Amino acid sequence: QSALTQPASVSGSPGQSITISCTGTSSDIGGYNYVSWYQQDPDKAPKLMIFDVSKRPSEVSNRFSGSKSGNTASLTISGLQAEDEADYYCSSYTSSSTLFGGGTKLTVL
Amino acid sequence: QVQLQESGPGLVKPSETLSLTCTVSGGSISSYYWSWIRQPPGKGLEWIGYIYYSGSTNYNPSLKSRVTISLDSSKNQFSLKLSSVTAADTAVYFCARGYCSSTSCYSRYFDLWGRGTLVTVSS
Repeated sequence: QSALTQPASVSGSPGQSITISCTGTSSDIGGYNYVSWYQQDPDKAPKLMIFDVSKRPSEVSNRFSGSKSGNTASLTISGLQAEDEADYYCSSYTSSSTLFGGGTKLTVL
Repeated sequence: QVQLQESGPGLVKPSETLSLTCTVSGGSISSYYWSWIRQPPGKGLEWIGYIYYSGSTNYNPSLKSRVTISLDSSKNQFSLKLSSVTAADTAVYFCARGYCSSTSCYSRYFDLWGRGTLVTVSS
């Protein structure tokens, strides 16, 4: 199984909104509503930001939102802040495994 | 609060078996899914497999023939063994806990992670 496809990098200015895409297939993203997103700071462990496509753990800011259309999932961050600069990984359940994307580096300009 | 800590050799020779242990402190290993995930230097994440507190397991098909995950509830630990390693197995290895919401526990989401330990495969 191949990793999910994410853009290598995205950028935005403080206060703006950005969207990170994650493309899979009908066997993973398209087949299940089990997409999650993780935020990872350098040399740190990832943090769960979104699960079940669009749900947030209680401690995650509502500036983070998730969605899905067909085989592509998206993470949107609104009101961009400097502290949002990090790597972001998508993940999807499959019938036999859990797949991750290659990661997207978010730069806050 | 609950914390996870990986431990084990940082250097493993090619063709040998990589062995890591994750110690769960500040809480019980019961009622959760426990996973191993790795990240090669400068690359993305790869799920290795999980064990449920009951002992049931599920592994990444691409690694299944080489992976064993086990659990010792008396020590609040779970372990990873990866056999016949090559340089491609060089990575930071994380242990992680499956996320539990107010209604369900999941094997496919990870809400608590260890700090990770770098394992290098080299002679």
